[in-house]
Amino acid sequence: NAGVTQTPKFRVLKTGQSMTLLCAQDMNHEYMYWYRQDPGMGLRLIHYSVGEGTTAKGEVPDGYNVSRLKKQNFLLGLESAAPSQTSVYFCASSYSMSGTWYFGPGTRLTVT
Amino acid sequence: SQQGEEDPQALSIQEGENATMNCSYKTSINNLQWYRQNSGRGLVHLILIRSNEREKHSGRLRVTLDTSKKSSSLLITASRAADTASYFCATDDQGAQKLVFGQGTRLTINP
Repeated sequence: NAGVTQTPKFRVLKTGQSMTLLCAQDMNHEYMYWYRQDPGMGLRLIHYSVGEGTTAKGEVPDGYNVSRLKKQNFLLGLESAAPSQTSVYFCASSYSMSGTWYFGPGTRLTVT
Repeated sequence: SQQGEEDPQALSIQEGENATMNCSYKTSINNLQWYRQNSGRGLVHLILIRSNEREKHSGRLRVTLDTSKKSSSLLITASRAADTASYFCATDDQGAQKLVFGQGTRLTINP
């Protein structure tokens, strides 16, 4: 089992560019989440999905879109990157809300 | 807004000492979890305690939960240099479908 993987690991974007972050899990988990982590802010929930074909907004969804076309993949898109989106992005998955959550290694994104 | 709030924000102790971190939360929960994050890495699950449990052990870890005070504590006994990391508590709101994290406690173990 690869667990939760994230692609890419690092990325530098210019303001206004777009990109997609990919999260993949091979544990047949229903729940998949995208968080961002900023210094002194802890982890903040961007968007989440409780099953294939479903998505919902989290705490800080503005400027991001997501899709869950396949159960194993959860994509996070930045339509027009801004410097405020410079952060480390973590994907997490779980079989159920009350179970253990598994995190990916993170994607470090810098927007200049 | 953050559900869990860890205290202290930073803790520095000598190797071999015990480390205690606290977490407070605001709403009713189904369970509370603790995670560890080493510098530059993802979070790793340590222990889960359900709302009907008061104490749980896993190796050198001891977690307590007081639902009347909406608080939890994580005790690491006989600390080691490898325990240096940030520790986060996370709660799932009853009725909600998301896990909410606190800001974390940064633990440094000095050799």
